Amino acid sequence: EIVLTQSPGTLSLSPGERATLSCRASQSVSSSYLAWYQQKPGQAPRLLIYGASSRATGIPDRFSGSGSGTDFTLTISRLEPEDFAVYYCQQYGSSAWTFGQGTKVEIK
Amino acid sequence: QLQLQESGPGLVKPSETLSLTCTVSGGSISSSSYYWGWIRQPPGKGLEWIGSIYYSGSTYYNPSLKSRVTISVDTSKNQFSLKLSSVTAADTAVYYCARHRTNFDLWGRGTLVTVSS
Repeated sequence: EIVLTQSPGTLSLSPGERATLSCRASQSVSSSYLAWYQQKPGQAPRLLIYGASSRATGIPDRFSGSGSGTDFTLTISRLEPEDFAVYYCQQYGSSAWTFGQGTKVEIK
Repeated sequence: QLQLQESGPGLVKPSETLSLTCTVSGGSISSSSYYWGWIRQPPGKGLEWIGSIYYSGSTYYNPSLKSRVTISVDTSKNQFSLKLSSVTAADTAVYYCARHRTNFDLWGRGTLVTVSS
C-alpha cells in the first residue's frame, strides 16, 4: 500500500500570501493518479487538482499542482479568505486509493 | 445534474453491522465507466477510503478493512450499499459516498454514524 505523507501539518499564513503544501509518497506514483482536495468544516471534500497538475472544473487559477514520482506540491499563489481549509492529497495504484493525512491552512 | 445521498442509521451498537445506502439521482449508476465508493472520516481526523464497486460489479476494498466490508449495488434502485460488520467505537465517523475513477470527483454530503451502546 502506498502511504502519502503531507507536510506541514499546519500552515499559518495571511491572506494574500503564497501557500506551498507538500505530499510525499512511500513509492513512486503515476502523475496521472495524484489528486488534491479542499475540505471546509462540515463539508465534503472538493476536488481541486487531478493528474497532479490539472485543475478541476471551476477551480480558480491561483491553485496549481506540480510534481512527479514521490514528491508532489499544491501551491496557492495568493490566499483568499475562502482558501483557509484542510487540503488532502490522494493517489490511486494497484486497485487501491489512499489519502494523505491532510494539511490545515489557517489564518495567521 | 448527478447527486449522491447517503442514508442509514446514525447510531449502531458495538459488535453489530453498520449498513448505509447511497442513492444516485440525476443519472444512471450503471452508465459510464465509473467506480462508486465509500470514504469515512472520524471526528477531527483525515479521510480513509473504505472500498468501491465498479459499474460492472467488481469490488475493491481497503486491505485494513477487507475482512469486515461488503459493498453491493442495486441498479434497479440506482443505489449502492455499504455493510461494515463487528463495529467498535473506532468506526465512529462521517461516511461519504462518492463517484470516482482515479480521483473522487463527486461526493455526497456525508452521514455521521456513531458506534455506542
